Amino acid sequence: DAGVIQSPRHEVTEMGQEVTLRCKPISGHNSLFWYRQTMMRGLELLIYFNNNVPIDDSGMPEDRFSAKMPNASFSTLKIQPSEPRDSAVYFCASSPVPSGKGEQYFGPGTRLTVT
Amino acid sequence: QQPVQSPQAVILREGEDAVINCSSSKALYSVHWYRQKHGEAPVFLMILLKGGEQKGHDKISASFNEKKQQSSLYLTASQLSYSGTYFCGTVTTDSWGKLQFGAGTQVVVTP
Repeated sequence: DAGVIQSPRHEVTEMGQEVTLRCKPISGHNSLFWYRQTMMRGLELLIYFNNNVPIDDSGMPEDRFSAKMPNASFSTLKIQPSEPRDSAVYFCASSPVPSGKGEQYFGPGTRLTVT
Repeated sequence: QQPVQSPQAVILREGEDAVINCSSSKALYSVHWYRQKHGEAPVFLMILLKGGEQKGHDKISASFNEKKQQSSLYLTASQLSYSGTYFCGTVTTDSWGKLQFGAGTQVVVTP
């Protein structure tokens, strides 16, 4: 079975540009998570979807960040405009159960560098 | 609220044991343990849902003391493959299921 798929794997962009990260969860999983990982802040939950509906977006840093899940097999995380402090590894994870009740399967991550 | 992990780092020789602790200031519903190798994604090890529950994964086991709001991860007879950063994630009873990760414990196993 394919795991969680993320694209692109690496993204380098200039400050002020729009960045879109993509995620395809494991088929049949109805929970999807976006995380951000930095040395300073560790692994932070940005947003959690259940059955394509955003349940908690309290971790989204500010209005520059937005996430969508138009269907069960695709989600995007958009940053507009991007800033150097957004540089991080962004992970998407999916789970067959609601948050907190079981294993989350992480994708390989997207390493974002904003110059 | 982010759980607190200790120690921050530990260096072991192959075959030695280690304990990683995770504590919360709030009542816990569940504790989750993940391991992340350098440049890779976190990988699930185990979840503990009941007070006093212990689980095992190969020679890695964990306990959960619900009353003390603590969990410990035990690395027994460590192998080189155990090297990585271990994260505990906690879900408190007053949250909707939000999993919050600790800062991680870096484990280095040497030959």
